[in-house]
Amino acid sequence: SELTQDPTMSVALGQTVRITCQGDSLRTYYASWYQQKPGQAPVLVIYGKNNRPSGIPDRFSGSKSGNTASLTITGAQAEDEADYYCDSRDRSAKYVVFGGGTRLTVL
Amino acid sequence: EVQLVESGGHLVQPGGSLRLSCAASGFTFSSYEMNWVRQAPGKGLEWVSYIRSSGGTIYYADSVKGRFTISRDNAKNSLYLQMNSLRAEDTAVYYCAREYCNSTSCYGGIFDYWGQGTLVTVSS
Repeated sequence: SELTQDPTMSVALGQTVRITCQGDSLRTYYASWYQQKPGQAPVLVIYGKNNRPSGIPDRFSGSKSGNTASLTITGAQAEDEADYYCDSRDRSAKYVVFGGGTRLTVL
Repeated sequence: EVQLVESGGHLVQPGGSLRLSCAASGFTFSSYEMNWVRQAPGKGLEWVSYIRSSGGTIYYADSVKGRFTISRDNAKNSLYLQMNSLRAEDTAVYYCAREYCNSTSCYGGIFDYWGQGTLVTVSS
């Protein structure tokens, strides 16, 4: 099973952007979302139905419909410019599968 | 404060071996499932391996099955990845990552803490 993400997206400063992740495993499992800035380790930003770890701004939210999970940033800030990855459990032989990542540019 | 610190990354020739370590602190290591995730230069994240808190259940990605071995020493708060028969395509930053657990369960695929990674380069 694979997870598919758009390779690049852009959003104007202060506007809203939705990053999507599509795959069969999402019909069964929720996605988690990670933010990764250059030279840094990934950071968990959304998990489960729509949960944010401590310290993650509430402009980040998650949702799921069918085989598509979404990460929404409402009022994007310059510091949100980063790569975003989704992952989920996988029903096949793999344990976890990651999406290919979306590079978000804040204009 | 939760900390995960990887070490052991190196330049190694194709066919060689390497052992990565991840030192954990700031939490009860023996209660958490742990994973290795890697990222090739300029590429995305790839899950590599999982080990249950007790060490009793282990999974591997197909790309490393039969070549890599995950293990842990709960007395030393340490996670390991023994990498044999290394190939050029194993070149990557290797992260150890903790799975999220609440008071009742642990949840696969939710990695709430990551180390800073250790670079493995496989080249002649």
